[in-house]
Amino acid sequence: NAGVTQTPKFRILKIGQSMTLQCTQDMNHNYMYWYRQDPGMGLKLIYYSVGAGITDKGEVPNGYNVSRSTTEDFPLRLELAAPSQTSVYFCASFRTGGFGEQYFGPGTRLTVT
Amino acid sequence: AQSVTQLDSQVPVFEEAPVELRCNYSSSVSVYLFWYVQYPNQGLQLLLKYLSGSTLVKGINGFEAEFNKSQTSFHLRKPSVHISDTAEYFCAVSDKEGGSEKLVFGKGTKLTVNP
Repeated sequence: NAGVTQTPKFRILKIGQSMTLQCTQDMNHNYMYWYRQDPGMGLKLIYYSVGAGITDKGEVPNGYNVSRSTTEDFPLRLELAAPSQTSVYFCASFRTGGFGEQYFGPGTRLTVT
Repeated sequence: AQSVTQLDSQVPVFEEAPVELRCNYSSSVSVYLFWYVQYPNQGLQLLLKYLSGSTLVKGINGFEAEFNKSQTSFHLRKPSVHISDTAEYFCAVSDKEGGSEKLVFGKGTKLTVNP
């Protein structure tokens, strides 16, 4: 199993550009999550999904959108990139009954200038 | 909603010294507790978890943590650290508010092991 994979690893965007961060898991987990990590701030939940077709906002959803058309994929969309979205983004997955343990991808480092 | 406080943002220690990274969480209701480790430029990896039962939990790489319900704490310890333990450590608590399963993370503790 590859676990949770994320692409790209790095990206530089100009203000106002848009992009999609990709996340795929091959563990048949029903839950998937997107976090952002800023220095000294820990991980903040952006959006999460409890299964295909079901998504919900986390703590910091503004400026982002998500969709979940399949169990495996959970892309994160930035429509109008702003410098405040410079961060490291992590995708994670979890299986109901898995006692809360989430499995993380390697992350995408995004810089908006 | 749950919250997690990691009391130290940075902890420098010398190699082979003991270390304790402190974590307190907000609620005394039944919770699951986790410590994750993040090595430089990598994702998060589970170090150990408390679900129920024995309050002393052993994890990978010689780490252990003790669950203390009365003090709502879950401190991480290692009796003798190595240079390779240099990383950021995150404490997390399960949150089932609204029926969805989430984790709430602390802000992290950067452990630096010096020779």
